Order: sequence, then structure tokens, then C-alpha cells
Amino acid sequence: NAGVMQNPRHLVRRRGQEARLRCSPMKGHSHVYWYRQLPEEGLKFMVYLQKENIIDESGMPKERFSAEFPKEGPSILRIQQVVRGDSAAYFCASSPPSGLNTGELFFGEGSRLTVL
Amino acid sequence: AQSVTQLDSHVSVSEGTPVLLRCNYSSSYSPSLFWYVQHPNKGLQLLLKYTSAATLVKGINGFEAEFKKSETSFHLTKPSAHMSDAAEYFCVVSGQPSGGYNKLIFGAGTRLAVHP
Repeated sequence: NAGVMQNPRHLVRRRGQEARLRCSPMKGHSHVYWYRQLPEEGLKFMVYLQKENIIDESGMPKERFSAEFPKEGPSILRIQQVVRGDSAAYFCASSPPSGLNTGELFFGEGSRLTVL
Repeated sequence: AQSVTQLDSHVSVSEGTPVLLRCNYSSSYSPSLFWYVQHPNKGLQLLLKYTSAATLVKGINGFEAEFKKSETSFHLTKPSAHMSDAAEYFCVVSGQPSGGYNKLIFGAGTRLAVHP
């Protein structure tokens, strides 16, 4: 069974460009979470999505960031007009419907964004 | 509000000696607590979890943690360190009460180094 797949693993963008990060959850998982890890810090919750629905986006910056999890295809985290402060590792995690609040999330290996 | 504090950013031990990684938590309700491990350039993996059953929790790879309500602590221990234990360890508290979803709150992490 494939785990949570994230791509690209590494992404370099210049200031003002757009970054798109993709996440395919584990087979059978319909819940996706995005977390951001800044250098030397723990992970910070960004957004929780179910298929076609954003359930909790309280951790998302108000501007330039958006996320979606369409009926078909991977979840996408989109960052418009990137700035140097967006440089971080972005982790996607998934859980099955039965995994609500068990604390067990299955994490991908992360997408490391570098903004020049 | 939920929070965790990891008391040591770096811990260094010799192979074969005990490991102690310290974590204190703050919670406005009965907490669910977890330890996750992150090996370099990898995703995070759940080590163990406490969800109000036994206060001494056993996890994978010989790790265990003890929930102490009076001390608001959830320290991670292992009797004998192995070279493969070298990684970043995160203490985590659930940001949702029981029945909610997996909005996890991470500590800043403790980097464990194991020397021969």
C-alpha cells in the first residue's frame, strides 16, 4: 500500500511566483490535513479538508494561501505571490473516516519550499 | 487552550544508555497526548498515544511514556538507546476534545543524538 504521496519534494520559487503542492492521501482515506514546519519549529496546523469541503482553515494565512481537495485527484495547497517567509516544509497527512480524533495521522515526506 | 512544551531542544546520549525526552502539557479538558518521531527528510510517524486509559503507554521500538496529571507531564523514555533512534521527537496534544478531528498541536521538538 502506498503511503501519503506528496510532490514535489523540493520546490524553488522566486518571490512573487506561485507554488502548488500536491498531496495524494493513503488509499481509503478521505480526510486530509496540511501542516507547515518552519525551520527549528514544530509543525503548525494549517487546514483540514474532506472531499470537496474545507472543514477547518483556522491555521491558514488570510491572504495568498488556499487549499482544495476535489472529488477526483489530489489535495492542492496553493501559495500565490510567494515571499521569503513562506520558505518551509509543508506536510500533508491523512486519516480514514474512522480515524477521527485518534491522533493518528499518516504523514507524507513533505514538500520543502525555498523562496529566493 | 491546548499547548505542549518540550523542555529540551537537544538531547545527546551514548548507545545503550537510557533516553529521557521531557514534555509538559496544558489542556482545558482531558487531553489526548502523543509522541511522533521524524527521521531526517522523512515524514512523521506515530510512536505512541495516551487517550485516558492506562497512564503508562507503550509504543513502538521500545519507547514508552507516562502520563502524570499532577505534574502535567508526558515524558518519553527508552531503557537503552540505539543508533537508529537518532531523530527529532515531537510531543503532541490534541486540539480537539474527544469526538473531534485530528487538529494536532505540536511541541517545538527535541533532537536526539545517539553516540557510539
